[in-house]
Amino acid sequence: NAGVTQTPKFQVLKTGQSMTLQCAQDMNHEYMSWYRQDPGMGLRLIHYSVGAGITDQGEVPNGYNVSRSTTEDFPLRLLSAAPSQTSVYFCASSNQGQAYEQYFGPGTRLTVT
Amino acid sequence: GQQVMQIPQYQHVQEGEDFTTYCNSSTTLSNIQWYKQRPGGHPVFLIQLVKSGEVKKQKRLTFQFGEAKKNSSLHITATQTTDVGTYFCAGRYGQNFVFGPGTRLSVLP
Repeated sequence: NAGVTQTPKFQVLKTGQSMTLQCAQDMNHEYMSWYRQDPGMGLRLIHYSVGAGITDQGEVPNGYNVSRSTTEDFPLRLLSAAPSQTSVYFCASSNQGQAYEQYFGPGTRLTVT
Repeated sequence: GQQVMQIPQYQHVQEGEDFTTYCNSSTTLSNIQWYKQRPGGHPVFLIQLVKSGEVKKQKRLTFQFGEAKKNSSLHITATQTTDVGTYFCAGRYGQNFVFGPGTRLSVLP
């Protein structure tokens, strides 16, 4: 199993550009989520999904869209990049059973200039 | 919204010394998880605590969940250089987890 994969690993955008961060998991997990990590602030939840076709907002959803057409994939779209979106983005997945252990992808380091 | 606080923000210890990080929630938690993130890496799950007053051990690591399920701690005995990283607690509220800001541990050899 590859676990949770994310692409790209690094990305530089200009203000106003749009892009999609890819996330995929091969563990058949129902729950998937996107976090952003900024220095001194831990991980903040952007959007999450409890299954294909179902998405919801987390703590910091503004400027981001998600979709969940399949169990495996959960892409994150930046609509119009802003310097405030410079961050490290992590995708995570977990089952909905007792454990709820979250498996994180390797992350995408995004810089918006 | 829900808040999870962690102290200290940073901790520098000499190899062999003990280390403790504390996690506090503004409200009662369903459960709490602990993660470790090595420099440049991604968070890796360590453990989950569910019951009030629960204590779990993993080799040199001891995890506790408070009686009121609003606080937790991670204690490392006799730190090693391999313990370097940032330790996060994550409190479960409903379907989601709220992460604390983390405690960054440095271990001097």
